[in-house]
Amino acid sequence: DIVLTQSPDTLSLSPGERATLSCRASQTINNNYLAWYQQKPGQAPGLLIYGASSRATGIPDRFSGGGSGTDFTLSISRLEPEDSAVYYCQQFGTSPYTFGQGTKLEIK
Amino acid sequence: QVRLVQSGAEVKRPGASVKVSCQAFGYTLTNYHVNWVRQVPGQGPEWMGIINPADGNTNKSPKFQGRVIITRDTSTSTVYMEMSSLRSEDTAMYFCARVATGVKGFVYWGQGTLVTVSS
Repeated sequence: DIVLTQSPDTLSLSPGERATLSCRASQTINNNYLAWYQQKPGQAPGLLIYGASSRATGIPDRFSGGGSGTDFTLSISRLEPEDSAVYYCQQFGTSPYTFGQGTKLEIK
Repeated sequence: QVRLVQSGAEVKRPGASVKVSCQAFGYTLTNYHVNWVRQVPGQGPEWMGIINPADGNTNKSPKFQGRVIITRDTSTSTVYMEMSSLRSEDTAMYFCARVATGVKGFVYWGQGTLVTVSS
């Protein structure tokens, strides 16, 4: 199985700042099929980014994804209080389609 | 609009089985694969498996091989996930989910079904 390791575990930032989240894979992700999700308490995860850098429908351009191979990032600019959530990466390159353990983003 | 509607919460004894349903609305079930994802409280999601509703073929994570069966009923646009030999560690929220055309990511999710395994 491909293991996805996210860092940091927790990130605490102020409104208006920029967040950078990392997702590192134990082996190359085929076709860069890497997705990012945002999850708030009591909700299913919501898709933010797919194919490493394509924004899902309705996602503001404050959210951007990058990277390739084994190293990927999710950047969130101009942080807002509503961005407080847990963020997960998931790879679709090789079955089983594993998820990372998550990064909790706190907005101070 | 696309909706995936899951069955209600379940409480089971260790060693029992549970069957969770996921009914599709707003699209033709056989046009898209349906995935099952579970999330233990406080942990990240875990992909369990996938079914092609058009022919019933499935692909499951090795972790769940032999203990999970994924089936479908095209007459009711419903996909099922059945797990046997339940243990306390299987206490989790179970979701069905699917992609959208051209999108390698889960765009549509069911509301989740909480399965509690307790003696």
